[in-house]
Amino acid sequence: TQLLEQSPQFLSIQEGENLTVYCNSSSVFSSLQWYRQEPGEGPVLLVTVVTGGEVKKLKRLTFQFGDARKDSSLHITAAQTGDTGLYLCAGALGYQKVTFGTGTKLQVIP
Amino acid sequence: KAGVTQTPRYLIKTRGQQVTLSCSPISGHRSVSWYQQTPGQGLQFLFEYFSETQRNKGNFPGRFSGRQFSNSRSEMNVSTLELGDSALYLCASSLKGPNTEAFFGQGTRLTVV
Repeated sequence: TQLLEQSPQFLSIQEGENLTVYCNSSSVFSSLQWYRQEPGEGPVLLVTVVTGGEVKKLKRLTFQFGDARKDSSLHITAAQTGDTGLYLCAGALGYQKVTFGTGTKLQVIP
Repeated sequence: KAGVTQTPRYLIKTRGQQVTLSCSPISGHRSVSWYQQTPGQGLQFLFEYFSETQRNKGNFPGRFSGRQFSNSRSEMNVSTLELGDSALYLCASSLKGPNTEAFFGQGTRLTVV
């Protein structure tokens, strides 16, 4: 059973465009993380959000945690080719277990 | 500081064999989590160890097992390999648990033929 659904599954955009990736669940999470994974590498943590309604910005990336702590979004402004990769959200149920989302594969074309 | 090291990077095994994968966490990190990543199922949680104790386990058969040593290094073992076990196996280390800042290794790519 996949607890975290991400959309879209694939995204191919031109450099300079904006995009939003969604992460949805019917479960309430104590915190939610976003990772980016490049081919042949492990995921790299981008951000952790813990409070419902929280918004965090990391340069051109904006992360939002839903008020009910069941969903999250990642918005990228003016995408660059270096943003290409697999984006994964991960919901934490307590300290010990993290459930990963289905993933969004982003390709930014120059 | 040194990152998370997984060995070996690549492995080819035959059905029915067993395999042991190793993960050396970042110095000072006591939590090690293991994940299986496949194109069809995505990243699936296997288990998490903290100070040599398994604290949580995912929904995998008993053929998948692990352990953690006193120096926090961890191993996972898969017995009686099946074709469907072909995957990228990732470990992640963190100070307190996988919901805190976790650092992943590059993974071990296991192919079962």
